[in-house]
Amino acid sequence: ETGVTQTPRHLVMGMTNKKSLKCEQHLGHNAMYWYKQSAKKPLELMFVYSLEERVENNSVPSRFSPECPNSSHLFLHLHTLQPEDSALYLCASSSRGGGMDTQYFGPGTRLTVL
Amino acid sequence: GDSVTQMEGPVTLSEEAFLTINCTYTATGYPSLFWYVQYPGEGLQLLLKATKADDKGSNKGFEATYRKETTSFHLEKGSVQVSDSAVYFCALSDRPGRGGSYIPTFGRGTSLIVHP
Repeated sequence: ETGVTQTPRHLVMGMTNKKSLKCEQHLGHNAMYWYKQSAKKPLELMFVYSLEERVENNSVPSRFSPECPNSSHLFLHLHTLQPEDSALYLCASSSRGGGMDTQYFGPGTRLTVL
Repeated sequence: GDSVTQMEGPVTLSEEAFLTINCTYTATGYPSLFWYVQYPGEGLQLLLKATKADDKGSNKGFEATYRKETTSFHLEKGSVQVSDSAVYFCALSDRPGRGGSYIPTFGRGTSLIVHP
């Protein structure tokens, strides 16, 4: 595998379910990001991890819980979601510092909350 | 705070037409500027970037010039193809935030539709 991978690519869940999204980067980067992309809305940055430490949390509801066990893996744990949480969830990675500020995105997980 | 403003879409063109997508920005420092492209069913991918004033980024026939005096980074292509149909995002990255990670600022995206 190369680049940034995300699984699953599609997820349908009920409001009472618990599920997790997984992101893995094979680029040797040390910063990882979760974004939410909804129709007709700007891209929303949710969380940022740098060297496995959470450095940004943009007022995201607690029903979204991120986890970064190492610099290659990022998870987004979901529980008791609402229908308005249906969106494309994108993971990205970048290199910390040194001007290497390009974001590398995965293909996204299309989430539908019923 | 930082902000990026893009022209609203969709932009609809015929194949081989000239493309311009306008982008202006507000930043406190000297940001790097980017254009990302998102094809249907995919994530965003870097199209081109420029890191300082008067730099020109180019890729796949697209180009954009970093204009500090007008705080702009307009995307252009001389002859679009049907395969260029996608959503284009202008973005900036100002300086490392906490922990050294870069926190980018994205525009709202501009949808481009190219007809044969």
